[in-house]
Amino acid sequence: GEDVEQSLFLSVREGDSSVINCTYTDSSSTYLYWYKQEPGAGLQLLTYIFSNMDMKQDQRLTVLLNKKDKHLSLRIADTQTGDSAIYFCALDQTGANNLFFGTGTRLTVIP
Amino acid sequence: DVKVTQSSRYLVKRTGEKVFLECVQDMDHENMFWYRQDPGLGLRLIYFSYDVKMKEKGDIPEGYSVSREKKERFSLILESASTNQTSMYLCASTLYQQGSTGELFFGEGSRLTVL
Repeated sequence: GEDVEQSLFLSVREGDSSVINCTYTDSSSTYLYWYKQEPGAGLQLLTYIFSNMDMKQDQRLTVLLNKKDKHLSLRIADTQTGDSAIYFCALDQTGANNLFFGTGTRLTVIP
Repeated sequence: DVKVTQSSRYLVKRTGEKVFLECVQDMDHENMFWYRQDPGLGLRLIYFSYDVKMKEKGDIPEGYSVSREKKERFSLILESASTNQTSMYLCASTLYQQGSTGELFFGEGSRLTVL
């Protein structure tokens, strides 16, 4: 199966940029996702990138994919207190019906 | 608006009790999933179903079973709850369609405590 690793915690000051990293072992994914989980809630899709792309920008969010190093990152510009949450990277896999999730990174934004 | 509803947000059960966790989706999705979420371990797949009456084991099926009698409903069953099954349980669904992004839609979770 797929191994998907993330750092468990990240703290940033309000207004700074946050970078959440994810490394994985299997390179057969078609889509790579970032999900956000706010306190007491389920996960919601934040953004995704197709595997033939290197970068995707969506307002304050930038996703970078380095297929050679099997590294995915999510950059949040001008981080706000409302961005405090757990962020999960997830990958699909050819032939599998489910996604493989990382361990999740808890982002804390300090006012 | 798409919706996945888990019937119980919080449950407290005793060791050995039978536990039912219910999940209903209103999006006519074929695929439904049960995950458990534990700190530092992320989400681990317990079971999934790609059609009515069909089920497949995920990564950690031991101690669990599932039921899918109707397309919109996917139930997780703990036949005899144990303390190591204390966790957050998340239900999700997705549309299986060529060219779709495969986005998972999640319920809000059911936090189970087994005493």
